[in-house]
Amino acid sequence: DSGVTQTPKHLITATGQRVTLRCSPRSGDLSVYWYQQSLDQGLQFLIQYYNGEERAKGNILERFSAQQFPDLHSELNLSSLELGDSALYFCASSVASPDTGELFFGEGSRLTVL
Amino acid sequence: AQSVTQLGSHVSVSEGALVLLRCNYSSSVPPYLFWYVQYPNQGLQLLLKYTSAATLVKGINGFEAEFKKSETSFHLTKPSAHMSDAAEYFCAVSRSSNDYKLSFGAGTTVTVRA
Repeated sequence: DSGVTQTPKHLITATGQRVTLRCSPRSGDLSVYWYQQSLDQGLQFLIQYYNGEERAKGNILERFSAQQFPDLHSELNLSSLELGDSALYFCASSVASPDTGELFFGEGSRLTVL
Repeated sequence: AQSVTQLGSHVSVSEGALVLLRCNYSSSVPPYLFWYVQYPNQGLQLLLKYTSAATLVKGINGFEAEFKKSETSFHLTKPSAHMSDAAEYFCAVSRSSNDYKLSFGAGTTVTVRA
């Protein structure tokens, strides 16, 4: 158990819909990262938040957005869903110490868009 | 930009045999390199990391990796495979130890034959 909790574990929805994925980081971790894992794209970095502020952006679509709340949990919002958005979405956290370089990953939220 | 290439999407080994997973990196600056493992239906877990302290890095579960700058490689090895090593392995790179926007390779799936 990494200590990172993601909900829901599985989600099935239709094209055009909107979903929210939730992540609770490890206790004490200030940074939250979102990654997308799909068969064709592999693991892609989406976005990072540190202590409530956006820190870095990767290959995140404009239809997607995220935020980190004062209690440090994070939500990833996916809207106008397309078939190609079907993937496993991982959340990871770290203390953002410069010496660790280790991300702790949740078990992922599997999104299926029909 | 930094990236990694994993040679071989699938590797099959006999129990007790050597496990060798290949990773080559491309980086314009000295890289920080990682190997992560993903067991079925789980998130990613750090196996080991290279942060320029020593070229031979030992990780968990008997794995180790050697950083070879001349070959731009960071291959992962384990002398004797165990059934529990069946998983998907990802090589990853970041620009620094406190830059956690990891770029992942495509992954190598390891199966272990009894």
